[in-house]
Amino acid sequence: AAGVIQSPRHLIKEKRETATLKCYPIPRHDTVYWYQQGPGQDPQFLISFYEKMQSDKGSIPDRFSAQQFSDYHSELNMSSLELGDSALYFCASSLSPDGRETQYFGPGTRLLVL
Amino acid sequence: KNEVEQSPQNLTAQEGEFITINCSYSVGISALHWLQQHPGGGIVSLFMLSSGKKKHGRLIATINIQEKHSSLHITASHPRDSAVYICAVRAPTGTASKLTFGTGTRLQVTL
Repeated sequence: AAGVIQSPRHLIKEKRETATLKCYPIPRHDTVYWYQQGPGQDPQFLISFYEKMQSDKGSIPDRFSAQQFSDYHSELNMSSLELGDSALYFCASSLSPDGRETQYFGPGTRLLVL
Repeated sequence: KNEVEQSPQNLTAQEGEFITINCSYSVGISALHWLQQHPGGGIVSLFMLSSGKKKHGRLIATINIQEKHSSLHITASHPRDSAVYICAVRAPTGTASKLTFGTGTRLQVTL
């Protein structure tokens, strides 16, 4: 069965550069979630989208933005990167955001900011 | 105090042992997830619970809504079970859809 796809899997950037992370949900899933997991830390919720509209917002810096497109894939845009942005960024998808369906996680994008 | 707490934080077991990982939460929830994270980072969803008990292979998850507590049991543990097990709770339906994660339990199963 198809799973959540994230690209790229690894990314190295320098401070003040920009990065774009992509997430392709499981087919027919309409809800996408982004999480950030710093080294040795718990995953933290960043933002979620349902039917191409922002559904919920967590601890996402103003330097980051995200959107969900008509094909339900989502992109997380990160600007003015800082060393502290180095983390594993997970995307998850579900069928509807109402909590009755489980979230399926992608493999993550490991971002290293030098 | 974290909204979701797990115990123990670290656990070492010998192959074949019965393992229990506990999760307590302090907020209202619509569902609780048990997740498995292997070295290298990939997260796999094991269970989503809103009541009662679920079983999948050697894994059993239970939840007591009144006591705000859940347990993950692994029977006949195996070295391939070595991973970090994370409890995550979902806000009540109709509000935020995000998951709030516990601190994880690092399990090492040895031969």
